[in-house]
Amino acid sequence: DQQVKQNSPSLSVQEGRISILNCDYTNSMFDYFLWYKKYPAEGPTFLISISSIKDKNEDGRFTVFLNKSAKHLSLHIVPSQPGDSAVYFCAASVYNTDKLIFGTGTRLQVFP
Amino acid sequence: DGGITQSPKYLFRKEGQNVTLSCEQNLNHDAMYWYRQDPGQGLRLIYYSQIVNDFQKGDIAEGYSVSREKKESFPLTVTSAQKNPTAFYLCASKTDREDGYTFGSGTRLTVV
Repeated sequence: DQQVKQNSPSLSVQEGRISILNCDYTNSMFDYFLWYKKYPAEGPTFLISISSIKDKNEDGRFTVFLNKSAKHLSLHIVPSQPGDSAVYFCAASVYNTDKLIFGTGTRLQVFP
Repeated sequence: DGGITQSPKYLFRKEGQNVTLSCEQNLNHDAMYWYRQDPGQGLRLIYYSQIVNDFQKGDIAEGYSVSREKKESFPLTVTSAQKNPTAFYLCASKTDREDGYTFGSGTRLTVV
């Protein structure tokens, strides 16, 4: 029972273009959502988060959109850079707990 | 420099042996977590501890044990009862802000 789903295992984007990574969730008891970036053999690093009461949060080249009615969030990276090539995990915080539930990840490759 | 230290980075174990993975943090975080990463399955929660001398099972606790005798330390023991222990193990601790967890750099365990 995967409560947080990332249906695209991989994405390939040309440098300078927009990268859009998607995440769907099935549980309404999440109070905020996060995106993490992970390089091989390293721990994930926090990228950006959004509260469930908001629909957009922006930080530099990264913007996260939340569509609560569709139970969908997306991460936009503009412009994409080769250094953005990594695995991106979507995570959801369970309301009133300290638990995060992670998606399966999307591998982003940005080519020149 | 504050952070989470996991050791060793690579660990080999013979089948039937117990092995303990170390996790130390100097961030003064109360909550600590152990996750396991397998290809195509994202991060799955093994155990977590919200306070010293207390811990809870996550989604895949069978074959694992933990202790939390000090705030800074949360070691994970992979026992011989764990059927498929070869994986990448990640330790994390949590702030009280919406940037979620801080992760260590991980330990790759291989059973030979």
